[in-house]
Amino acid sequence: EAGVAQSPRYKIIEKRQSVAFWCNPISGHATLYWYQQILGQGPKLLIQFQNNGVVDDSQLPKDRFSAERLKGVDSTLKIQPAKLEDSAVYLCASSILTAGGMVGRAFFGQGTRLTVV
Amino acid sequence: ELKVEQNPLFLSMQEGKNYTIYCNYSTTSDRLYWYRQDPGKSLESLFVLLSNGAVKQEGRLMASLDTKARLSTLHITAAVHDLSATYFCAVIKTSGSRLTFGEGTQLTVNP
Repeated sequence: EAGVAQSPRYKIIEKRQSVAFWCNPISGHATLYWYQQILGQGPKLLIQFQNNGVVDDSQLPKDRFSAERLKGVDSTLKIQPAKLEDSAVYLCASSILTAGGMVGRAFFGQGTRLTVV
Repeated sequence: ELKVEQNPLFLSMQEGKNYTIYCNYSTTSDRLYWYRQDPGKSLESLFVLLSNGAVKQEGRLMASLDTKARLSTLHITAAVHDLSATYFCAVIKTSGSRLTFGEGTQLTVNP
């Protein structure tokens, strides 16, 4: 079974530039997450989708971050404009939605390491 | 807001020794996960604990859940160098769907 695919693996940009990350979840997984992991910390949820609807974006800095999940499959996360403090690994994860409406175990992609200089 | 706390944050141990990592969380939950992360890598799922008293074991690792105490433990038996990694617990609160992570425990097993 193919895992969660993310690209690019690495990205270096200057502050105030924009950047986009792409994620392809495991086939059939209705729930998709974007997490930000700063070095030495635990992952922090940015946004959670269920199919193509947003379930939780309360921790997404909406003045500069945006995300979409068209057709309930692939997703993109964009940062515009980037700040130095956005340097982190951006992890995409996906999980099934059970018959009872509960999310299952989350499976993570390899992540995109963003460096803002 | 759900808070997840792990301790210790850093653990250095000798091969062959036993130790326990603790994960406390602040609200009711019936789903707790343990993940492993190697340097520069993504998160690998280790255990899913779904009910009070649940115990899961895989090799030298054993995880348990006490929902009344809001506590999970990850016990390491006779540690080996290959277990060196950062271990995260993550919790979904009852009736919720957000997966909230602890800060992680960085484990180093020395020969």
